[in-house]
Amino acid sequence: AQTVTQSQPEMSVQEAETVTLSCTYDTSENNYYLFWYKQPPSRQMILVIRQEAYKQQNATENRFSVNFQKAAKSFSLKISDSQLGDTAMYFCAFMKVQGAQKLVFGQGTRLTINP
Amino acid sequence: NAGVTQTPKFRVLKTGQSMTLLCAQDMNHEYMYWYRQDPGMGLRLIHYSVGEGTTAKGEVPDGYNVSRLKKQNFLLGLESAAPSQTSVYFCASSYHNQPQHFGDGTRLSIL
Repeated sequence: AQTVTQSQPEMSVQEAETVTLSCTYDTSENNYYLFWYKQPPSRQMILVIRQEAYKQQNATENRFSVNFQKAAKSFSLKISDSQLGDTAMYFCAFMKVQGAQKLVFGQGTRLTINP
Repeated sequence: NAGVTQTPKFRVLKTGQSMTLLCAQDMNHEYMYWYRQDPGMGLRLIHYSVGEGTTAKGEVPDGYNVSRLKKQNFLLGLESAAPSQTSVYFCASSYHNQPQHFGDGTRLSIL
């Protein structure tokens, strides 16, 4: 079975700073997807970024980028020029390519951006 | 464009009561999922469906039943609610190998 671990329960940075959230996972699969989801106080689950394991190039979406280290089974999220609206819970998630497409989530990191 | 709609958004039950949570999606997605979210934990999969008329157990299925009689709907039932089922419930849907789209969640309290 796959497991996802987020070792930072809470983080706090000043507005405009750069912050990195950590995620490690355990799997015997070779092909899979990794995701970062954001959950603001509104409770919505919002997809931030997606990485396909067979792609060596790290995914980027505007101010959000990942550092995907397949051999180390590490998938960190970097938020550049952080904004107050980035305040949220962030969840790392794993999904196999084969099979029923089930997401396995980490425990989450509560990120607070201070003005 | 409604996406994934969950009904109701909030409910309080007494122990032993039954209820059904409804999830509806208008994106013609094959896959649908029910998760629960508890404090300090990520979302955990309860049941899922890979197509109309099919369902399967996830990580924490005990105490829940599901049905997918129509492609666009996925129902989650609690036959005899227990306080341990107090949680926020999320429905999601997706195409194969595509990110899941989530509903806004249902906060369920069992007294």
